[in-house]
Amino acid sequence: DAGVIQSPRHEVTEMGQEVTLRCKPISGHDYLFWYRQTMMRGLELLIYFNNNVPIDDSGMPEDRFSAKMPNASFSTLKIQPSEPRDSAVYFCASSFWKAGSGETQYFGPGTRLLVL
Amino acid sequence: SQKIEQNSEALNIQEGKTATLTCNYTNYSPAYLQWYRQDPGRGPVFLLLIRENEKEKRKERLKVTFDTTLKQSLFHITASQPADSATYLCALDIGGNQFYFGTGTSLTVIP
Repeated sequence: DAGVIQSPRHEVTEMGQEVTLRCKPISGHDYLFWYRQTMMRGLELLIYFNNNVPIDDSGMPEDRFSAKMPNASFSTLKIQPSEPRDSAVYFCASSFWKAGSGETQYFGPGTRLLVL
Repeated sequence: SQKIEQNSEALNIQEGKTATLTCNYTNYSPAYLQWYRQDPGRGPVFLLLIRENEKEKRKERLKVTFDTTLKQSLFHITASQPADSATYLCALDIGGNQFYFGTGTSLTVIP
C-alpha cells in the first residue's frame, strides 16, 4: 500500500482565499483523522470520521473550517475564508480499531499551509 | 481537559548512551499509550504501544514503561545512534477514539 496520501504538499495562499486539502486513507482503514500541527500548540485533532461519518468535530476551530468524506477513499478539509493564523502543517491519518490493541494511526506526509 | 507534558523540548546525548524521554499526563486514564517518531517534514510514525495493564514493552533498542499510578511513561533508546535523532511524541488513547498527543521532545544524538 502507498500509505496515506495527501495533496497538495505545500500551499501558499492569500488571506480570504478558499483552501482545500485532500486525503486518501489507507485502503481498509475505517477511521480517518485530520490534525493541525504548529510549534505553539503541537498536534491537535480537528475532526475524525468512522466509516465516512463525522464522529467528533469539536476540535474544528471555527465555522470557517469544514471537512467531508464522500467515500471510503477520499476526504477533504476546507478553510473558507483562510486567515494568516491558519498557517500550519495539516496531517491526515487513518487507522482501524482492533480489539485489545487499540488503534495505531498512520499519518500522511502533511500539507504545509502558509496564508499571507 | 487532558494535559500531556513531555520533558524538555530538546534533549542532546552522546552516541552510544541511553536516551530517556518522559511523558506525564493528568486527568484521564488512558487505555493505551503510544510513542511516535517524527522526522522533519514528515508525519509521525508509530513506534510502540503499551496497554494500561502492562508495565513494560520492548522492541529492539526501544523500551517503554507505563506507570498508571504516577501517570507517567518513560521511553528509552539504548545504544543511541545519530539516526535516532528526531522528535518523539507520546499519545494517549483514552478510548472512544479520543486521542491526545504531547508536544514532543526533540532528540539529538551527537556522534
